[in-house]
Amino acid sequence: SQQGEEDPQALSIQEGENATMNCSYKTSINNLQWYRQNSGRGLVHLILIRSNEREKHSGRLRVTLDTSKKSSSLLITASRAADTASYFCATGFTGNQFYFGTGTSLTVIP
Amino acid sequence: EAGVVQSPRYKIIEKKQPVAFWCNPISGHNTLYWYRQNLGQGPELLIRYENEEAVDDSQLPKDRFSAERLKGVDSTLKIQPAELGDSAVYLCASSKRGTGSHEQYFGPGTRLTVT
Repeated sequence: SQQGEEDPQALSIQEGENATMNCSYKTSINNLQWYRQNSGRGLVHLILIRSNEREKHSGRLRVTLDTSKKSSSLLITASRAADTASYFCATGFTGNQFYFGTGTSLTVIP
Repeated sequence: EAGVVQSPRYKIIEKKQPVAFWCNPISGHNTLYWYRQNLGQGPELLIRYENEEAVDDSQLPKDRFSAERLKGVDSTLKIQPAELGDSAVYLCASSKRGTGSHEQYFGPGTRLTVT
């Protein structure tokens, strides 16, 4: 299977805490993207990390990629209630082929 | 810049009826995707277009699903006849090939209910 698998499936934290979710995959990738989906805004691209990169930052988001372990993690620091959403990793292959995982449902409690 | 537009937003039909979804991608985006998303799952790719050419339709159930992208802009996805298991959200996305970004922009989706 070319899609990633997120872990945990669900996560509940208090506002202000950090949230970490992981994505594992089985085949070599060109890049990996993280997306957020909530009822208000649909699916929104968060960040892309290429296979030759190890870490990327975007605001309160930090993504790491370990190609030897075929895994990636998304860290959201100082979480807010507005971060409540489902988070998906999408494994990217040659051309514009992408496969989405099943997602992590994050609930941030005010 | 206008986002990806999809219509209708909601559709309820009886099984065995036909249904069609329409997508207008972001201007200048040559890659267009159709995904199906079941409740609690991630989006599943149905078909990908590069301009007007379908370059990846391996996941499209061709016995009942069809798609077209005339002139490499708008696209329609059709199901005929619909089955109960087709109830899902159908998402359209577009991206601009060649920029190195690979970012996909998603529309709001069409929620299909087959009764």
